[in-house]
Amino acid sequence: GENVEQHPSTLSVQEGDSAVIKCTYSDSASNYFPWYKQELGKGPQLIIDIRSNVGEKKDQRIAVTLNKTAKHFSLHITETQPEDSAVYFCAASKAAGNKLTFGGGTRVLVKP
Amino acid sequence: NAGVTQTPKFQVLKTGQSMTLQCAQDMNHNSMYWYRQDPGMGLRLIYYSASEGTTDKGEVPNGYNVSRLNKREFSLRLESAAPSQTSVYFCASSDFWTGGRLAKNIQYFGAGTRLSVL
Repeated sequence: GENVEQHPSTLSVQEGDSAVIKCTYSDSASNYFPWYKQELGKGPQLIIDIRSNVGEKKDQRIAVTLNKTAKHFSLHITETQPEDSAVYFCAASKAAGNKLTFGGGTRVLVKP
Repeated sequence: NAGVTQTPKFQVLKTGQSMTLQCAQDMNHNSMYWYRQDPGMGLRLIYYSASEGTTDKGEVPNGYNVSRLNKREFSLRLESAAPSQTSVYFCASSDFWTGGRLAKNIQYFGAGTRLSVL
């Protein structure tokens, strides 16, 4: 089955700096890659996703990149703010598949 | 529109006790999921229901059973709780969206149930 690895497991950045989280996946048939944000005491919530027919997608201060050849994708957060402190999960899914396979999560701390 | 509602929010069990975690969604989604979240291990799928009337095992199904009661409700049962089942449990729902050949599976999560088994 699919295996998704996520790095780093923790990330501490100064407010205003950028944060980058990287994920690799094993199944070349995967073609949908979402990112979820989990705030303390809450369930994960989708923040951005990318499909395999595009290489990059941006939404304000967050962006995702996908390298299908290398089977890795990344989340970039620019101009980090304290409210960006959370746990972030990457995931992968195949076409016509009901299941997401999640990475192990990255705890991001933005220091004021 | 409450989204995905899980009950209870917290539970403490003794080893060997049984309990059922309840989940309901009001988004008319076809698919529902149960995950467990353990430190450093992300979200692991226990069981899922692709549509009303069907259930399938996920990555870590041992020790659990599920029931898709109707389109709205999907329950998770621990028949004989063990300390290894101490975790945070999340229910999610989704409606599979297809845009041509490439599909999206956007999942909406409940707030979770924190379970401790002593």
